[in-house]
Amino acid sequence: GEDVEQSLFLSVREGDSSVINCTYTDSSSTYLYWYKQEPGAGLQLLTYIFSNMDMKQDQRLTVLLNKKDKHLSLRIADTQTGDSAIYFCAESRNFGNEKLTFGTGTRLTIIP
Amino acid sequence: NAGVTQTPKFQVLKTGQSMTLQCAQDMNHNSMYWYRQDPGMGLRLIYYSASEGTTDKGEVPNGYNVSRLNKREFSLRLESAAPSQTSVYFCASSGFVENEQFFGPGTRLTVL
Repeated sequence: GEDVEQSLFLSVREGDSSVINCTYTDSSSTYLYWYKQEPGAGLQLLTYIFSNMDMKQDQRLTVLLNKKDKHLSLRIADTQTGDSAIYFCAESRNFGNEKLTFGTGTRLTIIP
Repeated sequence: NAGVTQTPKFQVLKTGQSMTLQCAQDMNHNSMYWYRQDPGMGLRLIYYSASEGTTDKGEVPNGYNVSRLNKREFSLRLESAAPSQTSVYFCASSGFVENEQFFGPGTRLTVL
């Protein structure tokens, strides 16, 4: 079955860039997502990328996809204290209305 | 719009007790999902419903039942709770238009 893996923890100094990595095994993955979970809350979609794209940028967020290596990364520029959260990578085969396979989540801690 | 709502927010059960977790969405979404979140394991799909009247097993369905009461509501039932079911439970929904799952705030369940 599908498998999505992430490191569990990442610590970054305020103002630096954060890079959160994810690897997946399903070569049929068509859409790859990054969700953010703040303490005590549900998940919220940050961004997603279609598998025929290499990069997507949205303000402070940059998503890089290496389809050959099945590697996805999320870069957060100028990391702020409000970026402290758990970040989940997820994948699906179809657009919308489709169940997702989530990674284990990476807890991002910001050091003042 | 309230989005996805879940009740209760917290629950403590004794082993062998039963309970139903309620979920409702007001976004006219066809698909609804139940996940459990455990430390270091990310989100795992318990059951999902692609449309009103249909339900399917996810990755970890044992010990749970679901009911898609109507398009808005999707409930999760624990018939005989076990300590291994101590977890945070999230309900989510998605539609054909948005490439996104919308999550509720979660129910934190402890089984003693």
